[in-house]
Amino acid sequence: DTGVSQNPRHKITKRGQNVTFRCDPISEHNRLYWYRQTLGQGPEFLTYFQNEAQLEKSRLLSDRFSAERPKGSFSTLEIQRTEQGDSAMYLCASSPAYDRENQPQHFGDGTRLSIL
Amino acid sequence: AQTVTQSQPEMSVQEAETVTLSCTYDTSESDYYLFWYKQPPSRQMILVIRQEAYKQQNATENRFSVNFQKAAKSFSLKISDSQLGDAAMYFCAYRSAVGKLTFGKGITLSVRP
Repeated sequence: DTGVSQNPRHKITKRGQNVTFRCDPISEHNRLYWYRQTLGQGPEFLTYFQNEAQLEKSRLLSDRFSAERPKGSFSTLEIQRTEQGDSAMYLCASSPAYDRENQPQHFGDGTRLSIL
Repeated sequence: AQTVTQSQPEMSVQEAETVTLSCTYDTSESDYYLFWYKQPPSRQMILVIRQEAYKQQNATENRFSVNFQKAAKSFSLKISDSQLGDAAMYFCAYRSAVGKLTFGKGITLSVRP
């Protein structure tokens, strides 16, 4: 069973630059989630997809953030004009889309973003 | 909006002893799910145990069990026979019938040999 894969593992960039992260979910999972985790805190929800449709976006997802999931497979999260406050671990998770089931979300290793 | 509160930032337990991690939540929904996740340092978050709100029976997974008190909106995790490998950050999480997880701030568990 191949788990959730995230690339890159680490990204260091200068303030103002654009960055893009990729997430490959578990192959049979059609729900995909993005979370942001700052040091010593729990993950905070950003957005989620069912297949290629983006079903919910958090208020944390400012207009500098955009997420896509073309063809309902992998997903990308782009941050434009990065700011110091964007420094965090970005986690991706996936789950099967069985409503009213206790299906857990499976997490990737995350991408750690550091803004210089 | 749902909230999850983990009021203890840190706990310590002696190897082979039992420890209980506390979690409370707030919701107006009747159908939801609760989870405990474990996040070792610099490692992937993994599921420890899950509980469906409609089930009265407390979930158990080997050395891990929960005390689910729906009326009190409490969901504590008990780890029996603690092992060194249990040292990690533990997050309590809430999920509606469908969709996103809402996490608490987490608790750092250390295990003393």
